Amino acid sequence: DVKVTQSSRYLVKRTGEKVFLECVQDMDHENMFWYRQDPGLGLRLIYFSYDVKMKEKGDIPEGYSVSREKKERFSLILESASTNQTSMYLCASNRQGARYEQYFGPGTRLTVT
Amino acid sequence: DQQVKQNSPSLSVQEGRISILNCDYTNSMFDYFLWYKKYPAEGPTFLISISSIKDKNEDGRFTVFLNKSAKHLSLHIVPSQPGDSAVYFCAAREGAQKLVFGQGTRLTINP
Repeated sequence: DVKVTQSSRYLVKRTGEKVFLECVQDMDHENMFWYRQDPGLGLRLIYFSYDVKMKEKGDIPEGYSVSREKKERFSLILESASTNQTSMYLCASNRQGARYEQYFGPGTRLTVT
Repeated sequence: DQQVKQNSPSLSVQEGRISILNCDYTNSMFDYFLWYKKYPAEGPTFLISISSIKDKNEDGRFTVFLNKSAKHLSLHIVPSQPGDSAVYFCAAREGAQKLVFGQGTRLTINP
């Protein structure tokens, strides 16, 4: 079974803090993704990575950066957290090519005060 | 611009009856469509998919229908069970790897 884990289920940070969200997958997947989920907006793609050290912007990359130093780990960084980044953050991964379904982690509920 | 739209935020269905969840899209270049199911405090899990070259795909109680001319897909669940109560997201594949998601529909199955 594919397992995608996220470092925290709940996180509370102050405005201006630097925030790291970590994601690890154990199935040797090439692709990894970061989404945020907001009511009425569904899941929106922030960044994705198709290989180590490679990254591509998604639909809403502003205010975020990412890091992928190892194949199994994909980090989302909020350089200076703001209240409008309060959201549910979901990490996902999949294998490149044949199948298209993405496997999701349980999510991190981030609150910025 | 929302390329994938689920216009019903919520749907309530009686146990044993059919649940029909709808999704509309605007981009004719989407070549693959998927449905995900999400329980509270869990990540979405893959449910069923359909290629744009097909018009129907069935898996047990779940059937997805695709109408390309109308740019519309639907998920049918029959019979509906209490465990089906969740938020359902439709998604469409854009480019090599990217998925575009709808807003989600909260399905409640009433006993």
